[in-house]
Amino acid sequence: SQQGEEDPQALSIQEGENATMNCSYKTSINNLQWYRQNSGRGLVHLILIRSNEREKHSGRLRVTLDTSKKSSSLLITASRAADTASYFCATVEGSQGNLIFGKGTKLSVKP
Amino acid sequence: DGGITQSPKYLFRKEGQNVTLSCEQNLNHDAMYWYRQDPGQGLRLIYYSQIVNDFQKGDIAEGYSVSREKKESFPLTVTSAQKNPTAFYLCASSGRFISGANVLTFGAGSRLTVL
Repeated sequence: SQQGEEDPQALSIQEGENATMNCSYKTSINNLQWYRQNSGRGLVHLILIRSNEREKHSGRLRVTLDTSKKSSSLLITASRAADTASYFCATVEGSQGNLIFGKGTKLSVKP
Repeated sequence: DGGITQSPKYLFRKEGQNVTLSCEQNLNHDAMYWYRQDPGQGLRLIYYSQIVNDFQKGDIAEGYSVSREKKESFPLTVTSAQKNPTAFYLCASSGRFISGANVLTFGAGSRLTVL
């Protein structure tokens, strides 16, 4: 089963520009998480936003959540080449509380 | 440093062979997970275990088996019954909660190729 769906599938920008990725999900959630994956590596947790929050910041990351539209966005400001990675949103599904991941947005930041 | 160690990083298998992927964590986490990642398909849950000596099937358990004899270890066996085993396999654990939510810590992954 798949809960989250990221958009766009791929994004290419120049260093210094902002990058925005979107995530849509299907069912009600308590929280939504964003993870980052460098090529050929494991995922790393970036940020979590709870369902009663609308916006959250962490360094150059800004996450928004619109529960009425069942969507979230991740904004990376002043991007760097080192931000090149795939970004996944994840939500909880089922009574066991397992995380379900979307297909990811592949971000390429060109120096 | 605490973390999750997966081995081997790369593994080649002939058709018809079973292979076992190792996952060890020293984070003292109770729950452990195995995900499969194929290009363009994101992560899919294979098996998970929330406590020692207990595990549950995920969305794509067919052709796989696991054991959880120790808290630190959650090996995954890819059996010959798995028809398309070539993929990137990720092990994760959880025991860290942020705002009451379960957050996963991942290993570096194991890439399995069937020859």
